[in-house]
Amino acid sequence: SQQGEEDPQALSIQEGENATMNCSYKTSINNLQWYRQNSGRGLVHLILIRSNEREKHSGRLRVTLDTSKKSSSLLITASRAADTASYFCATDRRTGANNLFFGTGTRLTVIP
Amino acid sequence: DGGITQSPKYLFRKEGQNVTLSCEQNLNHDAMYWYRQDPGQGLRLIYYSQIVNDFQKGDIAEGYSVSREKKESFPLTVTSAQKNPTAFYLCASSIGQGRVQETQYFGPGTRLLVL
Repeated sequence: SQQGEEDPQALSIQEGENATMNCSYKTSINNLQWYRQNSGRGLVHLILIRSNEREKHSGRLRVTLDTSKKSSSLLITASRAADTASYFCATDRRTGANNLFFGTGTRLTVIP
Repeated sequence: DGGITQSPKYLFRKEGQNVTLSCEQNLNHDAMYWYRQDPGQGLRLIYYSQIVNDFQKGDIAEGYSVSREKKESFPLTVTSAQKNPTAFYLCASSIGQGRVQETQYFGPGTRLLVL
């Protein structure tokens, strides 16, 4: 079964606006990752946040993690049309192998 | 130019036929993974391999088989036992070597369609 669920399922914004996506998960984690997928392509890693971190930045990306609420958010600031993609959160399985649970994704559309 | 490649981009399967999807990486990664992606369902793990000559079932291994004879290669066979194979298949790799919680690097995917 999948661990993470993203919210909303779809998001449409104007270029220049900020986009916020949320991820909730069920069990304790060591870290949480965010990936991006352009339509019909493979996933690309964006950022990893560890369970002892609360916030992390990378360029226009800001990720927060609240382990007490078992949730994370991804904020994309000053969005561009090229940010149009699906965004997935992934949590580790704590099995000793590097296996990830992926959420169902948020489909972001940035309108020029 | 390092990376992970998958072929073919599109694959058509007839009833009762086995088909094999190729995945190759030149990143010198020990660990490799196969995922299946259906619309609206995210990625589900089919098989994974942490080292050459070893592999483990994931969440939805039934109807699939893999081999890991070389570090660079992790082919996936969709057998006739897989009754609903139409999906987008993604291969990934990570450094491995006993490390956990790593970034995974994905190939471009293979779309499998049933005739």
